[in-house]
Amino acid sequence: GAVVSQHPSWVICKSGTSVKIECRSLDFQATTMFWYRQFPKQSLMLMATSNEGSKATYEQGVEKDKFLINHASLTLSTLTVTSAHPEDSSFYICSARPPTGEPNTEAFFGQGTRLTVV
Amino acid sequence: AQKITQTQPGMFVQEKEAVTLDCTYDTSDQSYGLFWYKQPSSGEMIFLIYQGSYDEQNATEGRYSLNFQKARKSANLVISASQLGDSAMYFCAMREAGYGNNRLAFGKGNQVVVIP
Repeated sequence: GAVVSQHPSWVICKSGTSVKIECRSLDFQATTMFWYRQFPKQSLMLMATSNEGSKATYEQGVEKDKFLINHASLTLSTLTVTSAHPEDSSFYICSARPPTGEPNTEAFFGQGTRLTVV
Repeated sequence: AQKITQTQPGMFVQEKEAVTLDCTYDTSDQSYGLFWYKQPSSGEMIFLIYQGSYDEQNATEGRYSLNFQKARKSANLVISASQLGDSAMYFCAMREAGYGNNRLAFGKGNQVVVIP
């Protein structure tokens, strides 16, 4: 099946620094990718929809300047957490699905990135 | 309004027994898809099974089956012959055809612990 690769799988950074997380679709082109955030023992909350060649669409309450999303190619979307603070510590996970147009096409997820800001 | 509801508390299941995880959904669309994912402690999201709103038969994938009751808007997951490796969080999700970009809406999840 299709594979989505996310990197890094974990990162520890100092407060005030920025962290970039990459999400790649390895064997299909994804015009749309999704970024989720998950706190411990909670569900996945959609942060934003990444659109190739255009601006990302952010969910209500998500700071655009804090979470920069770039979707420069059909196989790569990046999420940059700018000026990270301890409250940004969380599990971030991306997803994409092949653009077949069929509703039963599953969304493929990256492995997730566990961010710890100290 | 919450689109996917999973309200069961954490569950302990005896190995080799079956377990049913409840999921109800809310939509006004006629065309939609329902998904179940497994999330082990490593964090990855593993696709288990899919049910389309127009599918007349309940979906099955190996030990996983989906009890789809459209009128009740429920899509319960049944795991038969539980194994220790089934211990994980399980998420029900829905994709609505009319929902922008076909994104998924997730429930809060069910914690399952399989005991020997």
